[in-house]
Amino acid sequence: SQKIEQNSEALNIQEGKTATLTCNYTNYSPAYLQWYRQDPGRGPVFLLLIRENEKEKRKERLKVTFDTTLKQSLFHITASQPADSATYLCALDNQGGKLIFGQGTELSVKP
Amino acid sequence: GAVVSQHPSWVICKSGTSVKIECRSLDFQATTMFWYRQFPKQSLMLMATSNEGSKATYEQGVEKDKFLINHASLTLSTLTVTSAHPEDSSFYICSATRSDRGSQPQHFGDGTRLSIL
Repeated sequence: SQKIEQNSEALNIQEGKTATLTCNYTNYSPAYLQWYRQDPGRGPVFLLLIRENEKEKRKERLKVTFDTTLKQSLFHITASQPADSATYLCALDNQGGKLIFGQGTELSVKP
Repeated sequence: GAVVSQHPSWVICKSGTSVKIECRSLDFQATTMFWYRQFPKQSLMLMATSNEGSKATYEQGVEKDKFLINHASLTLSTLTVTSAHPEDSSFYICSATRSDRGSQPQHFGDGTRLSIL
């Protein structure tokens, strides 16, 4: 079955730096990969979706890459701000629109 | 953007009580709704997939008689935790999507914190 691994350690960075989060999967390459942000006590919020035939996707300060050879997606936040502090989840499509979520990486941006 | 409302946001009740949680898509018709459960510092675990007008599909290990799901309209799905016990205490989150394809993002409610005493 498909397994997803994200950085288990919390990521602490200084404001203004680029944060890079990793999502690795073990089995089949999904047709789509999604990234979500989750704040404490709240539901996840959709950020970006990337298709298997896309290498890179950008949205404002966010960038996602998708390498089906490495079975890996990288999520970058440039010029990070304290407001970017949250848990970031990657999710892969399974079937029937179902998503399998990673355990998330907690990002803390210090001023 | 797409808005999903989940109610109530938190519930504290006695063991043996049944609790109903509502999930509404406010500004779009949701073909499919999903129900998740999340424990602290852990990922979202899919419990069931709900399509309007049909029976929910439950994930392996999820008791369908314990977690009753009703999806009566394209904008409303409900999850009822029947005869809840302390081990049912968790954070329950719903999501809604416009289609059953993985190319569509899921729009989440803000969750329901359920505490069974």
